[in-house]
Amino acid sequence: SQQGEEDPQALSIQEGENATMNCSYKTSINNLQWYRQNSGRGLVHLILIRSNEREKHSGRLRVTLDTSKKSSSLLITASRAADTASYFCATNEETSGSRLTFGEGTQLTVNP
Amino acid sequence: SAVISQKPSRDICQRGTSLTIQCQVDSQVTMMFWYRQQPGQSLTLIATANQGSEATYESGFVIDKFPISRPNLTFSTLTVSNMSPEDSSIYLCSAWAVTTGELFFGEGSRLTVL
Repeated sequence: SQQGEEDPQALSIQEGENATMNCSYKTSINNLQWYRQNSGRGLVHLILIRSNEREKHSGRLRVTLDTSKKSSSLLITASRAADTASYFCATNEETSGSRLTFGEGTQLTVNP
Repeated sequence: SAVISQKPSRDICQRGTSLTIQCQVDSQVTMMFWYRQQPGQSLTLIATANQGSEATYESGFVIDKFPISRPNLTFSTLTVSNMSPEDSSIYLCSAWAVTTGELFFGEGSRLTVL
């Protein structure tokens, strides 16, 4: 079964609006990480949230983690056209050492 | 954070040939990984590149098809052998930062097999 399922698969918003992406997983984790991937490029690390943390902020990004529901969300506030990209969550499972398992991703389009 | 350089960044290859992708990290790292990203899809872990020993492969990936070397703590190579069009993907090298638990990626190598 897929660890790290994300929704929505695609999201289209206007510049200035907020974008929320969700990630669900199935097993116990050490941490969960969010990445951004611009088209045809590598992955850029955004935020790591540990299993004992509930919320983290970085600039316009806010990540929450609910281990009881096995879910996380990524909020991008005051979105910009440059935020257009694919966003992936990745889980570091307790039994997997340092390996990450990636979700299917959310394609975010921010229209100017 | 680690800076990871991959080459080639892209290549077009003929069916039946092999290609080696190189990955250089700007600092010593304990763990390096190779991922594959097929068109329009997420990342799938191919293997963990172990320094000085054989790589650890994930289910569905074998050494004969994806031989990996890791001669030291800053460098690794992935070879895609006997390529077919189904191997057309982006191949990404990554390194694990022990102090933070973050995984950093190179820009990837986009392979197209004709």
